[in-house]
Formats: sequence, C-alpha cells, structure tokens
Amino acid sequence: GEKVEQHESTLSVREGDSAVINCTYTDTASSYFPWYKQEAGKSLHFVIDIRSNVDRKQSQRLIVLLDKKAKRFSLHITATQPEDSAIYFCAASMTSGSWQLIFGSGTQLTVMP
Amino acid sequence: NAGVIQTPRHKVTGKGQEATLWCEPISGHSAVFWYRQTIVQGLEFLTYFRNQAPIDDSGMPKERFSAQMPNQSHSTLKIQSTQPQDSAVYLCASSLGQPNSDYTFGSGTRLLVI
Repeated sequence: GEKVEQHESTLSVREGDSAVINCTYTDTASSYFPWYKQEAGKSLHFVIDIRSNVDRKQSQRLIVLLDKKAKRFSLHITATQPEDSAIYFCAASMTSGSWQLIFGSGTQLTVMP
Repeated sequence: NAGVIQTPRHKVTGKGQEATLWCEPISGHSAVFWYRQTIVQGLEFLTYFRNQAPIDDSGMPKERFSAQMPNQSHSTLKIQSTQPQDSAVYLCASSLGQPNSDYTFGSGTRLLVI
C-alpha cells in the first residue's frame, strides 16, 4: 500500500524566513496531496492541497510543489510568523479504489521571534 | 456548523473493559473516517464509511475493534477488552465523499487504558 515519508521531524526558522517541509510517496497512483496543521493540544485542520494535474499551487503565504517523477511534494511557508508554529502533516490518496488519506509522520515547525 | 463532534473528549478505562467512542460528522458529508494518533505510530488509518456503508477497514485490529455507522448522523468505534496499547487519541473525520475532498477532523477522544 501507499507509504508517505515526511523527511523533517523538526524544523526551526526565524520569523520572516521561509520554511520548507518535504514529503515523498510510493504509489504512482496517488493523485491528491493535502497538508494539515495541528497546533498544540488541538486537532488537525486542512491548510492547502494539490492535485496531480498541476505542479504548483499557492494560497497566500503557502506554496505546494509537486514533482510526480520523483514522487515528491513539498510545503513552503513564506514570511513565517510565530503563529505558524505547529505540527504539519502531509498526506496522499488515490482517486480510485480506497480514498483514505495516508499521512506522513509530521514535522514540528518552530518559528522563533 | 459545529464541525465534526466527537464524544467523549477523554475516557479512562480499566484493562479489559469496553470503550465506545462516538462521532457526529458534518451534515451533508457522506464519508466518515477513523484514525488513531500516537507519538510512536503517528496517524494510523483505521476504517471508513461512505454513505454509511463500510468501505475499507484494513487498518482495524481485527479481534477487538469494530466500527459502525447506523445512520448518516453518527458513527461509533468500539474497542472490546481494552489493552494499555490501545491508549491513543482517536480521531474522526468527515468529507464530502468524493475523491480529492479534504477532511474535517473532530477534536478527538483521548483514550487512556490503565
């Protein structure tokens, strides 16, 4: 089955710098790649996604890149702010068969003032 | 829209007892997912329903775990004969039930088996 690997378990950046979190997946049939944010003591909430028909998507300070050949996708957070500090999870799913999301192990992002 | 509602928020059970966790999905969402979150294993998929029908339970420990969705407004996850290794945060999520739909997660039930 699909496996998603999230490469950075922790990441610290200075406020205003950019943060990049990288994920890889194994199943070439995967076509949907969302990202979720989990703040301390809270549940996950959706932040941005990308589908396999595009290789870049931006929403305000968030940019997602998808490299289907390398089976790699990444989340770029620009102009980081302290409130960006959280655990970020990448995920992947297919559009046929079973649709459940398979999650990476999470990246604890700390934005230092 | 109250979001996905999970009850109870916290549950403590003795080893060997039964635990039932409840989830109320967002109205109009036809897919309901259950995940388990631990520090060691991360987010593990357990099972999901689409239009109340069980679709994939490949993540469920077979012997003691069961899930049901008797109507479109709630789903339950039941753990029989709980063991300390069942301690985790159990997360329910719902979505529109189409491919490429994002999930809305509930706040989770933190289960502690002592």
